[in-house]
Amino acid sequence: AQTVTQSQPEMSVQEAETVTLSCTYDTSESDYYLFWYKQPPSRQMILVIRQEAYKQQNATENRFSVNFQKAAKSFSLKISDSQLGDAAMYFCAYRGGSQGNLIFGKGTKLSVKP
Amino acid sequence: GAGVSQTPSNKVTEKGKYVELRCDPISGHTALYWYRQSLGQGPEFLIYFQGTGAADDSGLPNDRFFAVRPEGSVSTLKIQRTERGDSAVYLCASSPRMGEQFFGPGTRLTVL
Repeated sequence: AQTVTQSQPEMSVQEAETVTLSCTYDTSESDYYLFWYKQPPSRQMILVIRQEAYKQQNATENRFSVNFQKAAKSFSLKISDSQLGDAAMYFCAYRGGSQGNLIFGKGTKLSVKP
Repeated sequence: GAGVSQTPSNKVTEKGKYVELRCDPISGHTALYWYRQSLGQGPEFLIYFQGTGAADDSGLPNDRFFAVRPEGSVSTLKIQRTERGDSAVYLCASSPRMGEQFFGPGTRLTVL
């Protein structure tokens, strides 16, 4: 069975600085997708960034980028120029190529200090 | 356009009661997912619909949980004989077939 592990329950970053959130996963599939979701106190999950396993190039969305290490099964999220609005729970998620559902990690709570 | 909506936003019930949670997906999305998020955890998959049929219900914890999507749009998650351990946030998401999942704000269920 596939698993997703986030080893950092909480992280803190100074406004305008850079922070990296860690995620590792385990799978025997070759076709899959990886995601980072943000969940503010409003509870609504918001997609931050996605990565297709077959793509070697790391995904980037504005201030958000990933470091995808397929052999190591690692998928970290880097947030540059952190803003107060980035404070939230961040979840790493996996979806198999033929599956519909997402498998989530336990999340990392990010605090941003002014 | 409108996003995924879920009603009610909060539901408090007593142990043993029956509850229904509703999800209105984004118009045109054929896939609909239910997840359960317990306190301090990530969401856990419950059931996935493609159209009107349940494509995968392997995440339903037991036979007290049931979900329907009779017309391929709105879905209802039904929980019979609720237990205190059912207390959680129930999240619904919809997507175009196998595409990006868009989540609703969730229903917080509290079983007293």
